[in-house]
Amino acid sequence: EAEVAQSPRYKITEKSQAVAFWCDPISGHATLYWYRQILGQGPELLVQFQDESVVDDSQLPKDRFSAERLKGVDSTLKIQPAELGDSAMYLCASSLAAKDRPPERSYEQYFGPGTRLTVT
Amino acid sequence: LAKTTQPISMDSYEGQEVNITCSHNNIATNDYITWYQQFPSQGPRFIIQGYKTKVTNEVASLFIPADRKSSTLSLPRVSLSDTAVYYCLVGDTPYGGYNKLIFGAGTRLAVHP
Repeated sequence: EAEVAQSPRYKITEKSQAVAFWCDPISGHATLYWYRQILGQGPELLVQFQDESVVDDSQLPKDRFSAERLKGVDSTLKIQPAELGDSAMYLCASSLAAKDRPPERSYEQYFGPGTRLTVT
Repeated sequence: LAKTTQPISMDSYEGQEVNITCSHNNIATNDYITWYQQFPSQGPRFIIQGYKTKVTNEVASLFIPADRKSSTLSLPRVSLSDTAVYYCLVGDTPYGGYNKLIFGAGTRLAVHP
């Protein structure tokens, strides 16, 4: 069964350092999502891509976070500089959602294993 | 944005049926109801989705009354491996057709021997 791949699985960094996470979605999935999940809470959407275009980054702290999906396949999420409050699980998901597809398909998202970030 | 309310936690025993009810009083006409399951240190996993009445798959059933202001996820004969957090979500489409999932805190289900 195809899966969403993420790396690294764990990352420990000092505050003010830069950190990057990588995600490879399921082949053929046009839509890619980055979520942040703080312990005890549900995932929060940071950014959503349709192919290589950002369609929603309203919750992305743009002063320190950036995301790209240059060729419309894999994606990178970067934090610079990292802050203590950034400690969380960063999840990537993909789906078959697209404007020309039935809307209900976009609710079925496939999540990767996540990257656990600890900022010290 | 449609908001959901569900119990913070539930306890059950192996072999019992578990029903988790979610309220979504402000659901919009074109919104779907979706449930996800999440185990510790893993990403959420899609369980089931519905629009109205009843939907059943190999994992669970989803009951949605006619007014769609609530829904109930039913897990038949749970086992210890069903211990997880269950999220009820109502889709939102604020960006020209790109649906967005808004996760709440979910319901922590603990299944006991």
